[in-house]
Amino acid sequence: EIVMTQSPATLSVSPGERATLSCRASQNVNNNLVWYQQKPGQAPRLLIYGASTRATGIPARFSGSGSGTEFTLTISSLQSEDFAVYYCQHHNTWLWTFGQGTKVEIK
Amino acid sequence: EVQLVESGGGLIQPGGSLRLSCAVSGFTFSDYYMHWVRQVPGEGPVWVSRLNGDGSRTDYADSVKGRFTISRDNAKNTLYLQMNSLRVEDTALYYCSKSVSGRFENWGQGTLVTVSS
Repeated sequence: EIVMTQSPATLSVSPGERATLSCRASQNVNNNLVWYQQKPGQAPRLLIYGASTRATGIPARFSGSGSGTEFTLTISSLQSEDFAVYYCQHHNTWLWTFGQGTKVEIK
Repeated sequence: EVQLVESGGGLIQPGGSLRLSCAVSGFTFSDYYMHWVRQVPGEGPVWVSRLNGDGSRTDYADSVKGRFTISRDNAKNTLYLQMNSLRVEDTALYYCSKSVSGRFENWGQGTLVTVSS
């Protein structure tokens, strides 16, 4: 099983500031990496797939990068609606696994 | 508009059984792999099971293999998860999801399963 490790667990950011979230895979997942956003009481929402491609309707302030084992989700200028938990997920092998999440909270 | 609506969750004693359903609309159901993903509040999602479009191929997480069965009725646009021999550690919010090329593109709102005596 590939273990996905996200850091930090919690990120305190002021509105308008940049947020950088990390996701590390325990082995190479190529670019088979997806990011989701989850708000309280809601299902996860697809943000980024293929490590760097924004899903339909996702604002340009969200960007993804990385390949192999190290990945980054960047939110260039945090808006109030961006405070949420973010998860990464790989699909490089048949057993797809998620990270434990990074909570982005208001500083 | 794509919609996925889960039902069938509830409180069940250890060792009991439940069948979850997921009614879908807004897309050609038989064209897509469908999945069950569960999540304990405060934790990351965990993939449980997947089923291909015609129902011929299934995969399961080791934690549920031999106890859970995924199935679908393409005529009714409905996905199922039969859960037997339930354990306390199966307690979670269960989502159904449609995948495209490895990503969970659409999710339902979830149905809560609580296994407790």
